[in-house]
Amino acid sequence: DIQMTQSPSSLSASVGDRVTITCRASQSISNYLNWYQHKPGKAPKLLIYAASSLQSGVPSRFSGSGSGTDFTLTISSLQPEDFATYYCQQSYSASLTFGQGTKVEIK
Amino acid sequence: EVQLVESGGGLVKPGGSLRLSCGASGFTFSNAWMSWVRQAPGKGLEWVGRIKSITNGGTTEYAAPVRGRFTISRDDSKNILYLQMISLITEDTAVYYCTTLQTRGYFDQWGQGTLVTVSS
Repeated sequence: DIQMTQSPSSLSASVGDRVTITCRASQSISNYLNWYQHKPGKAPKLLIYAASSLQSGVPSRFSGSGSGTDFTLTISSLQPEDFATYYCQQSYSASLTFGQGTKVEIK
Repeated sequence: EVQLVESGGGLVKPGGSLRLSCGASGFTFSNAWMSWVRQAPGKGLEWVGRIKSITNGGTTEYAAPVRGRFTISRDDSKNILYLQMISLITEDTAVYYCTTLQTRGYFDQWGQGTLVTVSS
């Protein structure tokens, strides 16, 4: 299976901060990389697909970049509703795998 | 509006069986690829398996930890997705989410989840 490693595992940030989360694949996955937001007790939500395509209805402060093995999710100006856990997920191989998650907490 | 509603979760003993259901509405279910994703307590998201649409062969694929124990099926006449689980182990304890799966491999619609607890 392709291993996905996110960093950091958690971070503390303030409203208005620029936040960057990285995701590294154990082998090249082209741009088959997707990002999700998950809040406790809620259904996960797709934010970004194909590394940089914004899902319909997702605010433009979210953006994704990268190709090959290294990817980034950026929140340009953190809002109160953005405190959550974020996961990357590769869809290059038939065996789909997620990163371990990055918890974004209030500073 | 797309709706996915899981049901069938509960407490089951190790070695037992359980069948989860996912009722779908708001989209053409028969054309959709579907998947199950789970989250164990305090852990991250884990893909369980997927089923293609019948027009794409209706084939299934499973993650290694559940292969041979879990079976995904679909009833397009009722718009229901199933997850049959046998030989359950404590590590299967999780919230199970039903999702739609785009052909590029991302999960774009999610249900609210149903909790499965495997414990003696």
